[in-house]
Amino acid sequence: RKEVEQDPGPFNVPEGATVAFNCTYSNSASQSFFWYRQDCRKEPKLLMSVYSSGNEDGRFTAQLNRASQYISLLIRDSKLSDSATYLCVVSTGGFKTIFGAGTRLFVKA
Amino acid sequence: DGGITQSPKYLFRKEGQNVTLSCEQNLNHDAMYWYRQDPGQGLRLIYYSQIVNDFQKGDIAEGYSVSREKKESFPLTVTSAQKNPTAFYLCASSTGTGRSSNQPQHFGDGTRLSIL
Repeated sequence: RKEVEQDPGPFNVPEGATVAFNCTYSNSASQSFFWYRQDCRKEPKLLMSVYSSGNEDGRFTAQLNRASQYISLLIRDSKLSDSATYLCVVSTGGFKTIFGAGTRLFVKA
Repeated sequence: DGGITQSPKYLFRKEGQNVTLSCEQNLNHDAMYWYRQDPGQGLRLIYYSQIVNDFQKGDIAEGYSVSREKKESFPLTVTSAQKNPTAFYLCASSTGTGRSSNQPQHFGDGTRLSIL
């Protein structure tokens, strides 16, 4: 079993749709959680950190479920510019950080 | 502007040749990292460094070497021992050190390495 697993997709959605990504992790000692966005042939960029209480940044909402060991990312009112690969990132603290392989999203007009 | 600069953007390696990828940051970050990304896969850690003159092997260190003589710089050498070097190489940095380090990593824009 991979330490961090994501549905590779692709998710094909129309503009304005709501889309949700899930990510599961295997190490119950994991402490920090992040979502990154990676455009084609570019570097990953931090989208948002994920807190235990859940957090929102504009159209993006992240949730953490420690009991079930998964995190989620919800994108509301999808834009064409949201098309990218979304990486789930889990850290056990120190320097052990695991990157998921990513979920590809295509938003179509 | 603060950031992480990687060079070159594209690099070609001949058989038996060592090549060095540059990574410089002006974010005053203590920790620096090198990752490799292959198509359709997640990032894999090659080496990381918590402080100057110290570095640790990651999950796939064989065939690679690094140095950390300055806080700002963390060059990666891909040696001839790395038989499958074609990949996208990403350098990252973060604040904080030790087990309390829960800060996100910030990336340079990468170097694409191919074999001639």
